[in-house]
Amino acid sequence: QVQLQQWGAGLVKPSETLSLTCAVYGVPFSEYFWSWIRQPPEKGLEWVGEINHRGTTTYNPSLKSRVTISVDTSKNQFSLNLNSVTAADSAIYYCVRGAPPSRYCRGSTCYTRGPSYSFYMDVWGKGTTITVSS
Amino acid sequence: QSVLTQPPSVSGAPGQRVTISCTGSSSNIGADYGVHWYQQLPGTAPKLLIYVNINRPSGVPDRFSGSRSGTSASLAITGLQAEDEATYYCQSYDSSLSGRVFGGGTKLTVL
Repeated sequence: QVQLQQWGAGLVKPSETLSLTCAVYGVPFSEYFWSWIRQPPEKGLEWVGEINHRGTTTYNPSLKSRVTISVDTSKNQFSLNLNSVTAADSAIYYCVRGAPPSRYCRGSTCYTRGPSYSFYMDVWGKGTTITVSS
Repeated sequence: QSVLTQPPSVSGAPGQRVTISCTGSSSNIGADYGVHWYQQLPGTAPKLLIYVNINRPSGVPDRFSGSRSGTSASLAITGLQAEDEATYYCQSYDSSLSGRVFGGGTKLTVL
């Protein structure tokens, strides 16, 4: 059974760096991509960024200058660093697995494994509440 | 302002059918990258409900169904139950942003 276990400091001072790590259990690390999603209090979901087992990353353009996502395949873990945080970065942060559809068609082209843009988020960690405050 | 637009709230009585819309553009839903839906119960992490427009993961009741047409997608819930009271999010990929985007969420109230 797939499990995502995440941890990190819950209180971060303004201008400092938020750090979270997520450990993946029960599934081959290489077949999926691994994301961070955040949710400010009483607000909606925001994609922060993602990484695959090769270390290839994609970030939300609005956060790109401050975000680093890294992977440690030897431990089946991936991590999030967000620097220069402000109160606006206070949120619940979720680590999430992105999975490919086993059959995907777009126009007249069908794939037995969907391309990366078709991936969906099927396993979520429990979330870590991060508060930015002095 | 979310890239994908959802109504903030919908409601329905037990047993009724409700639909939740998700409107995008030619760089996301209209490009047919796949629309996914998530259900978030209060105080819990989101849960995958529908993937790639119409597909239900194992364990999701067939009361939930998805559709896509042009630059919009919809989630339909039939036979509404009290336990369906939650916030629902649509999600897709956007080629202009080169990233994944969510709708703002729709809170479903079961009357």
